[in-house]
Amino acid sequence: ELKVEQNPLFLSMQEGKNYTIYCNYSTTSDRLYWYRQDPGKSLESLFVLLSNGAVKQEGRLMASLDTKARLSTLHITAAVHDLSATYFCAVDGNTDKLIFGTGTRLQVFP
Amino acid sequence: DTAVSQTPKYLVTQMGNDKSIKCEQNLGHDTMYWYKQDSKKFLKIMFSYNNKELIINETVPNRFSPKSPDKAHLNLHINSLELGDSAVYFCASSPRGAKNIQYFGAGTRLSVL
Repeated sequence: ELKVEQNPLFLSMQEGKNYTIYCNYSTTSDRLYWYRQDPGKSLESLFVLLSNGAVKQEGRLMASLDTKARLSTLHITAAVHDLSATYFCAVDGNTDKLIFGTGTRLQVFP
Repeated sequence: DTAVSQTPKYLVTQMGNDKSIKCEQNLGHDTMYWYKQDSKKFLKIMFSYNNKELIINETVPNRFSPKSPDKAHLNLHINSLELGDSAVYFCASSPRGAKNIQYFGAGTRLSVL
């Protein structure tokens, strides 16, 4: 059974700092998604990574995928308060369904 | 225009009642999903329909019954509600299966008292 783990589960960071969220998964997959969820809101798609070595960037967020290591990273550069949210990775388990990670709750403070 | 809309947004009810949550998408997608997000934010798929046909049915109590009258609608009916059913339920849709980006509704927060 495909398992998807994220770490850290909680991240409190100061504005202007950099940090990386990790997403590990247990079986072979070549598709990985990152979503953002604001408190009390829905999930919004951030990135779709479709192959080994894929890198996508949007603003202060950059996501990458290493299918051999079964690892994706979401890197935050010079964090700002607006990035405070919960971030989920999700893996296509080749069973026509997405398995979501545990989520990383990010809080950025001044 | 709301792409994936769920109603109601909030639902408070007593144990033992039967309730329904409705979902509609205007994106022309073939596939729709129901997810449950618990108090710890774990998000887990419950059901998936492709063109009105059930394709994913996770280990969900029989009290939960999805119904898809057409490919733009996927409703969730819950019988004999229990305290443990309290959660946020999200509807989502995607074009032709999970290998595409899924678009989520705003969620329905269900509280069973």
